[in-house]
Amino acid sequence: EDQVTQSPEALRLQEGESSSLNCSYTVSGLRGLFWYRQDPGKGPEFLFTLYSAGEEKEKERLKATLTKKESFLHITAPKPEDSATYLCAMNSGYSTLTFGKGTMLLVSP
Amino acid sequence: GAVVSQHPSWVICKSGTSVKIECRSLDFQATTMFWYRQFPKQSLMLMATSNEGSKATYEQGVEKDKFLINHASLTLSTLTVTSAHPEDSSFYICSAYRAGLNTEAFFGQGTRLTVV
Repeated sequence: EDQVTQSPEALRLQEGESSSLNCSYTVSGLRGLFWYRQDPGKGPEFLFTLYSAGEEKEKERLKATLTKKESFLHITAPKPEDSATYLCAMNSGYSTLTFGKGTMLLVSP
Repeated sequence: GAVVSQHPSWVICKSGTSVKIECRSLDFQATTMFWYRQFPKQSLMLMATSNEGSKATYEQGVEKDKFLINHASLTLSTLTVTSAHPEDSSFYICSAYRAGLNTEAFFGQGTRLTVV
């Protein structure tokens, strides 16, 4: 069964304290690993799509990487405005996404 | 990036009434759109897949007669919650795929439905 597991469930960082969020997945054939940011009361905001092991993508303080079993979202020198829930999802075919439960990130000034 | 617009962003309705939520892809055509439901502090749960010009595909446990989906054009899908009850109160989110070299999924801003 296709499954996405995110850890930790919640993460509290000080401003400037870099860290990584984990997304582990099990799937027979990965057709895309997606990262989204979701603010309270809002829809998910697209961040990255990764397709193959070894692929990396960057956007401002965020960097997403992909292996055959997991993906990491690295946050470098985070700021309070990076506080949000970060969702990982995979596309195993048929264009439907399977979501993890998310990591709630809080960055304190 | 591509824009998916969802309307309304919030709605309050009385029990027994019906509520329609619209999802539009503003700058691309979407043959497939998806409707999700999200409870507080939970992840997104897929309710149904909306296909332009054909019937929607519902996930197990989702009542198709209660959650009516219409995908009348390549840029518009609607979700109608019929005979709403307080337990239908939730955050509903639509998504549309922009196909291309790299298929990307974009989400609407969500609709907070409160049934009183």
